[in-house]
Amino acid sequence: DVQLVESGGGLVQPGGSLRLSCAASGFTFSSFGMNWVRQAPGKGLEWVSYISTLGATINYAESVKGRFTISRGNAKNSLYLQMNSLRDEDTAVYYCAREGYVGEADYWGQGTLVTVSS
Amino acid sequence: QSMLTQPPSVSGAPGQRVTISCTGSSSNIGADFDVHWYQQLPGTAPKLLISGNNNRPSGVPDRFSGSKSGTSASLAISGLQADDEADYYCQSYDRSLSGWVFGGGTKLTVL
Repeated sequence: DVQLVESGGGLVQPGGSLRLSCAASGFTFSSFGMNWVRQAPGKGLEWVSYISTLGATINYAESVKGRFTISRGNAKNSLYLQMNSLRDEDTAVYYCAREGYVGEADYWGQGTLVTVSS
Repeated sequence: QSMLTQPPSVSGAPGQRVTISCTGSSSNIGADFDVHWYQQLPGTAPKLLISGNNNRPSGVPDRFSGSKSGTSASLAISGLQADDEADYYCQSYDRSLSGWVFGGGTKLTVL
């Protein structure tokens, strides 16, 4: 079965950094593009970033561009999100999501909570 | 702010049919990108409900159906059941964003 398990969330002060990880299993990780999607408390879903199968194509939402860096380790079946210069408005549950064949998020992790607060 | 527009809430009695609209623009739905729908139960991750405008993944009941026309899409739920109460999100690709775009979400209440 496809599984995505996020880790690395926690409480961080404004201006701080955090690195999220997403461990993938049950499928050929290197064959799928991957995304990070976040959800602020009580709010809707917001796309954060995308990375293609070999990392050649990377895109970011304007709200995180220049502060967040997505990467992947295909040998380790893992997806990462390095988050720097964190702001209060980055507080959210962060999900990793596999991109399916027609651009859908066909599998999601359970999410990891990032809280930015002093 | 969301680039796809959904009604904040819809409601219906058990057994009834409801529809949820999703309106986009010429840079996403109108640019012929597919629309996908997700169901999110309280405290859980979103789950894919409809992919590619009108395709149900394995295990999704045929009470759920999707359609797309022009710059809009719709999710229809027939034979409403109590456990359909959830938040529903539409999603597409936006070429100006070069990434996914989501609707703001619609809360379905089963009366």
